[in-house]
Amino acid sequence: DSGVTQTPKHLITATGQRVTLRCSPRSGDLSVYWYQQSLDQGLQFLIQYYNGEERAKGNILERFSAQQFPDLHSELNLSSLELGDSALYFCASSVDPGPGANVLTFGAGSRLTVL
Amino acid sequence: TQLLEQSPQFLSIQEGENLTVYCNSSSVFSSLQWYRQEPGEGPVLLVTVVTGGEVKKLKRLTFQFGDARKDSSLHITAAQPGDTGLYLCAGAGASGTYKYIFGTGTRLKVLA
Repeated sequence: DSGVTQTPKHLITATGQRVTLRCSPRSGDLSVYWYQQSLDQGLQFLIQYYNGEERAKGNILERFSAQQFPDLHSELNLSSLELGDSALYFCASSVDPGPGANVLTFGAGSRLTVL
Repeated sequence: TQLLEQSPQFLSIQEGENLTVYCNSSSVFSSLQWYRQEPGEGPVLLVTVVTGGEVKKLKRLTFQFGDARKDSSLHITAAQPGDTGLYLCAGAGASGTYKYIFGTGTRLKVLA
């Protein structure tokens, strides 16, 4: 157990639908990162929050949005889902926003399947 | 746009062989990390290198950060089946940003 909790572990939904993925960071970590990993691919950086504020943005689609709440948990909202959105979505947390020698601790991921 | 290119993408070798994985970029990073990911799990940090030219060893794994802090390599000596997994490099601090950008990944399979 890495200490980073992601729910749900698996999610199957239809095109056009909306889903919310949830992440609870490791205790003491203030920064949360979201990544997308398609089949056999590396991780694509989506977005990063630090203590409730957006710190960095990557290749996040306009149909996707995220936020970090006062209790530091984060949610990634995916809407108007398309088949190509099927992927593993990882959340990671770290103590501070970097960019230094931070250790990113990853959750086990949420596997989204869009049919 | 993927800033970090890894090679090779796939590698299948026999137990006991040596191998090197490369991570290259045109960007300068303030630090570079290597992670290993196993099926059904998130990536797990192996090492962080922060100084150009730095070499770190972790048992049979040797990591090097390029002098210009744009590239890195991972060398495994006498590979074992337990080394099987997806190896990912990740660069931080390119252009002064907070982003941790991951490489394209190298999938290693070590056959017994």
